[in-house]
Parts: sequence; structure tokens; C-alpha cells
Amino acid sequence: DAKTTQPPSMDCAEGRAANLPCNHSTISGNEYVYWYRQIHSQGPQYIIHGLKNNETNEMASLIITEDRKSSTLILPHATLRDTAVYYCIVRENYGGSQGNLIFGKGTKLSVKP
Amino acid sequence: GAGVSQSPSNKVTEKGKDVELRCDPISGHTALYWYRQSLGQGLEFLIYFQGNSAPDKSGLPSDRFSAERTGGSVSTLTIQRTQQEDSAVYLCASSLSVTAQPQHFGDGTRLSIL
Repeated sequence: DAKTTQPPSMDCAEGRAANLPCNHSTISGNEYVYWYRQIHSQGPQYIIHGLKNNETNEMASLIITEDRKSSTLILPHATLRDTAVYYCIVRENYGGSQGNLIFGKGTKLSVKP
Repeated sequence: GAGVSQSPSNKVTEKGKDVELRCDPISGHTALYWYRQSLGQGLEFLIYFQGNSAPDKSGLPSDRFSAERTGGSVSTLTIQRTQQEDSAVYLCASSLSVTAQPQHFGDGTRLSIL
């Protein structure tokens, strides 16, 4: 089962920041937080990941709370092409017995003009 | 190519037929994963390879499903005697190794069983 909880849907106005929350209260010390998104009819796309510190790349920023029990993905200037299902996933960077990602239901982000 | 390539992109077949799905991972990626996504559902893990070896096949939904990988590169997922419940998008992902992330996904094969 997924170890994360996300709101099922969110709306965002085009050009505004989209802030997507994720709760992972049972995260363990060696588990990373990963974010992927899936645009309709495409495979999931990696966005960003982090362990403790906040991270930023060309796509997004990841803010992780000090207790690591929750995080927020920030798309600074959302465009219509950012409309997608966003998945928050926690896992060790050692694959253990399988190495697979466990996807929950994600948050469907709708960016509106 | 630069990304994970899957073929065919769409496959329609009759119930009872066998199908073979192909995945070309990113060059140099030793870990390869198969998932499937049924309509309106989340991703379900099927199997992974580290090199040519698949240490755990317990995610395969039935013994009609099998997968192989040769030469540490291309992988094929075979479904024998297809059933209507096999209809789904089958996604392949690869990563540098099992211990390294992120996984990079192809756009999948949409399988429809009539």
C-alpha cells in the first residue's frame, strides 16, 4: 500500500503557483520523497526527489517539513500543460527486495486559464 | 533513443491469443521494471530485472504472464491466452540500477482484449 496521502484533486489558475501537499507521517529515516506526474495518455514523468533538505530543479521545488512527515511540491508558474495527476511516493534509495515504486491515487491538478 | 521506448504503442487482440510487449530501456540502465495501469486505476507493479535476472516474480498476476530480458537490455512481457481483464496500459521503466533512482518511464502499450 502507498505510504502517502494526497488530496484527490486541486485547481490552480494559469500563471499562479501550484502547491501540492503530501502527508507521509510514517516515513522512515532512510526513505526519500519522490514526485512523479502523469499527463493523460503518457507514462509517469519524474519531477524531483529529496530526503531532508528542500530541493529545486528546473521543473519544481520540493519543501519537506523538519519532521519529514509532510512535503509540498511547488510549481512556481503553472501552465495549462501542467494539468496532470501528481504522485507523491516514499521509498528507500536501496531497492530492497524489489525496487519498485508504489503509486497511490495521486492528486489531479487542473490548471485553468 | 534518449528515453524508454515501448512497442507496440497499441495492441488489439482477441481473447485467447498470446501477446508480446517490448521494452527498450535507456542505454546503460541495468534495472528495468514492468507495471500495468488499468482504466482509471493506479499503477500496479509486475516485475523487475536487475541485469538479466528477475529476483521476484510474485507481482505477476497469473502464470499466463512471463517476462524475460536478454543481453541486459531489451525486455519482453508475454501474456498467454489473453483474457479481457488483461486489458490495460503496460508501462516499462528503467533506472541506472535498483539502488539508484529515479525511474524513467516509457509511454506504455495500450492492450485491448476483445
